[in-house]
Amino acid sequence: DIVMTQSPDSLAVSLGERATINCKSSQSVLSRSNNKNYLAWHQQKPGQPPKLLIYWASTRESGVPDRFSGSGSGTDFTLTISSLQAEDVAVYYCQHYYSTPWTFGRGTKVEI
Amino acid sequence: EVQLVESGGGLVQPGGCLKLSCAASGFTFSSYAMNWVRQTPGKRLEWVSYINGGGNSIFYADSVKGRFTISRDNAENSLYLQMNSLRVEDTGVYYCARQTTTYDSWGRGTLVTVSS
Repeated sequence: DIVMTQSPDSLAVSLGERATINCKSSQSVLSRSNNKNYLAWHQQKPGQPPKLLIYWASTRESGVPDRFSGSGSGTDFTLTISSLQAEDVAVYYCQHYYSTPWTFGRGTKVEI
Repeated sequence: EVQLVESGGGLVQPGGCLKLSCAASGFTFSSYAMNWVRQTPGKRLEWVSYINGGGNSIFYADSVKGRFTISRDNAENSLYLQMNSLRVEDTGVYYCARQTTTYDSWGRGTLVTVSS
């Protein structure tokens, strides 16, 4: 199974400041056939189910604010919130879908 | 609007069984693969099972293989998870999740607690 390792476990960011979350996979999730990274980011607010934010490592899901961006390739990925808003307080999970079983990181809690 | 509503969770003793349901609406249910994903008390997310749109391709996580059975009724727009021989480590919130590229829509979940 591919192991997803996130860092940090938690971070506190001031309103309007940048938040950066890292995710590393134990093996590459880049497909040579289509040059796509099989990596997604989900946001889970308190008391709510997860919500898909980003897929293919950098494609925002419809309706996701453009302050959220994803980057990286191969085994190293980053989720950046460019200007943190109060409503962004949540736990963020990276997840690969390169091969079964699809697995998740342990989550990064973002606080103000 | 896509809606997924899980039900059927509850408290059960080790060795017991439960059947979870997920009612889908707002999309053509039979066109989508569906999954069950659970969240442990420690907040870890774990994939449990997959079924394709036609119901003829099914996969399970090793931890539940032989104990859980996924199924769907496309006429009723419903997804199911029959859970037998439940263990304490099966405790968690069970989500049904629609699959496109990845899990693009999640229900609100149903809590399963396995305890004596």
